[in-house]
Amino acid sequence: KNEVEQSPQNLTAQEGEFITINCSYSVGISALHWLQQHPGGGIVSLFMLSSGKKKHGRLIATINIQEKHSSLHITASHPRDSAVYICAVRGATNKLIFGTGTLLAVQP
Amino acid sequence: EPEVTQTPSHQVTQMGQEVILRCVPISNHLYFYWYRQILGQKVEFLVSFYNNEISEKSEIFDDQFSVERPDGSNFTLKIRSTKLEDSAMYFCASGRDTRGQPQHFGDGTRLSIL
Repeated sequence: KNEVEQSPQNLTAQEGEFITINCSYSVGISALHWLQQHPGGGIVSLFMLSSGKKKHGRLIATINIQEKHSSLHITASHPRDSAVYICAVRGATNKLIFGTGTLLAVQP
Repeated sequence: EPEVTQTPSHQVTQMGQEVILRCVPISNHLYFYWYRQILGQKVEFLVSFYNNEISEKSEIFDDQFSVERPDGSNFTLKIRSTKLEDSAMYFCASGRDTRGQPQHFGDGTRLSIL
C-alpha cells in the first residue's frame, strides 16, 4: 500500500471550474508539500503545510492532521493550470515521500 | 529568485558507462537531495546529504551510486556502471533547513541508457 495516495488520478475540467485534488497519507509527517510538474518534467513547489490552510492566488491548500488528509483547490481554473499536481510528505527524516500525482487538464 | 540548476538537461549513455549528473543548489542552502522519476512512475527518494556526508539513502542507492560536493557550489550524482533500468529523470533539490522551509527542485536531467 502506498504511503501517500492521491485522488483522482486524472481530472478533466472546463475553464472556470473549481477543482479539488485530494491527498491521504498513512505515516506521521512533519510537513506536506503540494508540487506542480509540467510536461518536460520540472517540479515547482506550490505549498508546504504543517497545519491549517494556505492561499496563493487562485490556489488554496488545506490539511487536517488528525484525519491525515490534505486538499488542493484551484478556483477559476484556466488552461495554463494543466499539469500534474503531486502531494509529497516529509516524515521523521528529511526525505519526501511522493504520491503518484493527479493529471489535470483544463479545457478552454 | 534563486534557482537550483542541473546539467545536462539530457544525457544519453551506453549501458555500463559511468555518468555524472551535476547540480548547483541554492547558495545558502545546507541540505541536498537527489530524487529520480522513472517514466510514468512517481518520484522516488535516492539520497540526502548534509555537512559533507550522506544523511539518508534509499535501497535504490546501492554501491553503483555515489554523491559528492566537490567544491562549495556543486553537488554531483555519479552512477558507476549504468544499467538500462537507470533510465529516468533525476531531480536535485536543496533546502535551507529541514523543517520550516520547502525543498527547491531543479528542472531535472533526463538520463537515457542505451
